[in-house]
Amino acid sequence: QKEVEQDPGPLSVPEGAIVSLNCTYSNSAFQYFMWYRQYSRKGPELLMYTYSSGNKEDGRFTAQVDKSSKYISLFIRDSQPSDSATYLCAMSGGSSARQLTFGSGTQLTVLP
Amino acid sequence: ETGVTQSPTHLIKTRGQQVTLRCSSQSGHNTVSWYQQALGQGPQFIFQYYREEENGRGNFPPRFSGLQFPNYSSELNVNALELDDSALYLCASSLGGGPTDTQYFGPGTRLTVL
Repeated sequence: QKEVEQDPGPLSVPEGAIVSLNCTYSNSAFQYFMWYRQYSRKGPELLMYTYSSGNKEDGRFTAQVDKSSKYISLFIRDSQPSDSATYLCAMSGGSSARQLTFGSGTQLTVLP
Repeated sequence: ETGVTQSPTHLIKTRGQQVTLRCSSQSGHNTVSWYQQALGQGPQFIFQYYREEENGRGNFPPRFSGLQFPNYSSELNVNALELDDSALYLCASSLGGGPTDTQYFGPGTRLTVL
């Protein structure tokens, strides 16, 4: 079983929809949680970074962490065609503090 | 501010050959991490270099090796290439090697092993 599980999609939504992306993890030592966005043929780009349980908002993006359930989410409000990309969750902590452990990514398409 | 750059963009090799991939860190960053991303998968950590010393290694065999230079640029070397080594190789630089140091990724080198 992978340490980080992420639904690969693909996920297709109409423009303006609210998108929910999720990851679950098994390593309770993970303390730092990130969401990266990766456009085709590009490297991952950091979107959100959270440390503790709870919500963190940045513009149209909200990251949510529930450490008790080992579950993290990314919500995108008012989705735009430019949001079409692969979204990767990543986490670190404990003996894996120096490395990022990624989910497999969810491919999102926002239709105009 | 210059971002993370990688060369070459694409590379085709045959099984058994050796390859060297290069990475230039973002200005001011002293830590470089390398990841392998197979098609349809998330990146997997290979190793990290901090001030020219290896600072952590993932579950990759010794034929994957690296170097970091005094200017903090880095190389990833892979010997005895196998078909499964075909992937996008990403490097990421950061201000330090700790978990709160944001890693900034380059565009990657796509390696195809025939």
